[in-house]
Amino acid sequence: AQTVTQSQPEMSVQEAETVTLSCTYDTSENNYYLFWYKQPPSRQMILVIRQEAYKQQNATENRFSVNFQKAAKSFSLKISDSQLGDTAMYFCAFMKYPQDKIIFGKGTRLHILP
Amino acid sequence: EADIYQTPRYLVIGTGKKITLECSQTMGHDKMYWYQQDPGMELHLIHYSYGVNSTEKGDLSSESTVSRIRTEHFPLTLESARPSHTSQYLCASSESSSVGYGYTFGSGTRLTVV
Repeated sequence: AQTVTQSQPEMSVQEAETVTLSCTYDTSENNYYLFWYKQPPSRQMILVIRQEAYKQQNATENRFSVNFQKAAKSFSLKISDSQLGDTAMYFCAFMKYPQDKIIFGKGTRLHILP
Repeated sequence: EADIYQTPRYLVIGTGKKITLECSQTMGHDKMYWYQQDPGMELHLIHYSYGVNSTEKGDLSSESTVSRIRTEHFPLTLESARPSHTSQYLCASSESSSVGYGYTFGSGTRLTVV
């Protein structure tokens, strides 16, 4: 069975700093997808970034980028120039292809401090 | 705008009452999911559906039931609410033809049973 581990339950950084959230996963599959989801307080959970396992290039979406290390089964999220609106729970998630049930990590609560 | 809607956002109800949490999506997605989010924010899949008249139980055992009579509608029912059912319930959807693009989530229903 696949598992997703987020080892940082909570983090705080100053506005404009760069922060990295860690995620490791365990799978014997070769073809899968990885995601980072953001859940702001009392608001809808949204997809931040996705990575296809067969692509070596790390995904990037504006200030958000990932460091995908397939051999190490590591998938960290880097947020550059952090903003107050980045305060949220962040979930790392795994999906085996071609199935579509997503397995979520326990989340990292991120506080951006003014 | 295509989206997924959950009602009510907040519900406080007495023990023993029957409740239905509504979830509707306007995107024509064939797959829909219900997650229970515990106070520690961990997400647990409790039900999913791959199409009309198709429902399955998820990884976490739940006393709730679901139905999928229409593509866009996936309500969750608790016949007799108990304090142990107090939680946040998240509905999500995805499209078979877009495997690997993750889920779209609703804003959630926060249920409190007193």
